Amino acid sequence: DIQMTQSPSSLSASVGDRVIITCQASQDISKYLNWFQQKPGKAPKLLIYDASNLETGVPSRFSGSGSGTDFTFTISSLQPEDLATYYCQQYNNVPRTFGGGTKVEIK
Amino acid sequence: EVQLVESGGGLVKPGGSLRLSCAASGFTFSDAWMSWVRQAPGKGLEWVGRIKSKTAGETTDYAAPVKGRFTISRDDSNNMLYLQMNSLKTEDTAVYYCIPNWRSWGQGTLVTVSS
Repeated sequence: DIQMTQSPSSLSASVGDRVIITCQASQDISKYLNWFQQKPGKAPKLLIYDASNLETGVPSRFSGSGSGTDFTFTISSLQPEDLATYYCQQYNNVPRTFGGGTKVEIK
Repeated sequence: EVQLVESGGGLVKPGGSLRLSCAASGFTFSDAWMSWVRQAPGKGLEWVGRIKSKTAGETTDYAAPVKGRFTISRDDSNNMLYLQMNSLKTEDTAVYYCIPNWRSWGQGTLVTVSS
């Protein structure tokens, strides 16, 4: 199985800050990576697919990059509504696997 | 608009069984490869398994923790997806979601395995 190592597990940042989350796959997954946002009590929401493609309707302050084994998710200017947990997930192989999540808090 | 309504969750004792259902609408269900994803309380997301479409052979794949205990099936005539869960363990306690793709999620159904 492909292991997805996501870091940090939590972070606290101020409104307007740039936030970066990384995700490392245990083997090459090409571009087949999603990033999700999950707010408390809600289902996950797809933000980024194919490592760098912004899902329709998602604000442009969210972005993703990377390929192979190393990926980055960026919030260019953190907003209060971005309080959530973020997950990476690979879909190159079965079983599909998720990173452990990054809880983003607002200072 | 895609709609997914999961049902069938509840409280069950360890070793027991439960069948979850997912009513789908708003897309061509028979073409969809459907998956189940779960989330234990306060924990991360875990893929449970999937069933391919009939034209792709209707084959199934499962995550290691549930293989041999869980069975995914589908009823394309009624746009329904099922998850039969046997030999349940306390670690199966989670909210279970059915999804046709990564952008469409329902509200999930809570399964609690406890004595």
